[in-house]
Amino acid sequence: KNQVEQSPQSLIILEGKNCTLQCNYTVSPFSNLRWYKQDTGRGPVSLTIMTFSENTKSNGRYTATLDADTKQSSLHITASQLSDSASYICVVTRRTYNTDKLIFGTGTRLQVFP
Amino acid sequence: GAGVSQSPRYKVAKRGQDVALRCDPISGHVSLFWYQQALGQGPEFLTYFQNEAQLDKSGLPSDRFFAERPEGSVSTLKIQRTQQEDSAVYLCASSLVAGGRNEKLFFGSGTQLSVL
Repeated sequence: KNQVEQSPQSLIILEGKNCTLQCNYTVSPFSNLRWYKQDTGRGPVSLTIMTFSENTKSNGRYTATLDADTKQSSLHITASQLSDSASYICVVTRRTYNTDKLIFGTGTRLQVFP
Repeated sequence: GAGVSQSPRYKVAKRGQDVALRCDPISGHVSLFWYQQALGQGPEFLTYFQNEAQLDKSGLPSDRFFAERPEGSVSTLKIQRTQQEDSAVYLCASSLVAGGRNEKLFFGSGTQLSVL
C-alpha cells in the first residue's frame, strides 16, 4: 500500500535549538518527495522538492535529505524560531500514467517555545 | 491574484444541504487540484484539472461530489446532500504546468466545511 509515515507526531523545542523530523514511505513508483510547512488555518507551503537523484536540498534554515534506497527522508531545522511553529508534512509523489498523485503524510506538529 | 484564493473561508451547512466551494487559482496556472483534509490528517486527493479538462476524479468519495472548471480558470467543488462525514477542510492547489510533475504546488488557505 502506498503510505507516508512521519515521526514524531509532535515535537516541542526551545527557540534557537535544532530539530530533525523523519519521513518513511512505501510509495511506488516514486517521482519525487516534498516537504511542506502548514501553519494553523492555512494551506501548505512548499519547502523543498527532491527527485530520485537528489539526496539533499536546502531552503534557508531547512535542509531535507532523501535516501531513495531505504525510502527515508528527513527535514532538519537549524536555529529554530518561534515562527517555525507549524505542521510539517512529507509528501511523496507517485508516478501514474496520466498525472502524478501526491501521497501526504499526517505531519509532525512542531511547537517552538521562547 | 498573488496566490490561490478560496471562498468561503468557513461554511456551516445543515445535513442534506448542497454547498459550493470556489477556488481562484493563480492566473495562468494550468493544473488545478482539490484535496480534502480531515482534522489532524494530511490532505487527500479528490480531483485534478488540466485547464478545463477534468483528467482525474478518482478521489471523489461519492457521486454527491462534483467539480468543474468550465473556462480553465476558476473551479467550483459542489457537494450535494451534505453529510456529517463531509466535514473537513477543502484545499485547492494550482501549478503552472500540466501534470504538476516536479513542479511547485501552490495551495489556498482552504474552506472549512462543518456539516451539522
